[in-house]
Amino acid sequence: AQRVTQPEKLLSVFKGAPVELKCNYSYSGSPELFWYVQYSRQRLQLLLRHISRESIKGFTADLNKGETSFHLKKPFAQEEDSAMYYCAFHTGRRALTFGSGTRLQVQP
Amino acid sequence: DTGVSQNPRHKITKRGQNVTFRCDPISEHNRLYWYRQTLGQGPEFLTYFQNEAQLEKSRLLSDRFSAERPKGSFSTLEIQRTEQGDSAMYLCASSLGRSDTNTEAFFGQGTRLTVV
Repeated sequence: AQRVTQPEKLLSVFKGAPVELKCNYSYSGSPELFWYVQYSRQRLQLLLRHISRESIKGFTADLNKGETSFHLKKPFAQEEDSAMYYCAFHTGRRALTFGSGTRLQVQP
Repeated sequence: DTGVSQNPRHKITKRGQNVTFRCDPISEHNRLYWYRQTLGQGPEFLTYFQNEAQLEKSRLLSDRFSAERPKGSFSTLEIQRTEQGDSAMYLCASSLGRSDTNTEAFFGQGTRLTVV
């Protein structure tokens, strides 16, 4: 079955500390991976997708097919990064499959 | 706001009543998705349309749920004989898809359903 696992419900770091939000997926083919973010009282929005290979707001994520992982990283966390982060993937025509999310709390 | 629009934003209903939610996607988007989200969980896929065709339905979608997208534009999600377990945030998203590719999915702000 296609599945996305985010093992941490909450990740709390201090401002300026590195951040890594973990994401593992189970799928035998080549999925397209995404990170979505939801700031307080805002709608869910795309943060980045693996095919773009971009850095958005200082975040990067590398697809590791061997480990079936797509961890989200940022070298120096900012308070405005506090939000819910969801890893997701889709395959071809299918809809996005989301993980259960990780709340990132960046303390001053 | 030219993004995905959902109405109503909140709905409180008594158990056993029927409810209908509406989603207006971004105008040029041909794909439309419905998700359900409960506390502490990520969005769970319910169903999706490409234009007016309903291409996929989750096993989560019981017989009490029905969705339509009559002209390939807005969509409605109806829940009949609501149960307390239906209480959740119902999210709609749209994207532009061709063949096996998909652009970014844009989400609405959701409709929060409370069944009392």
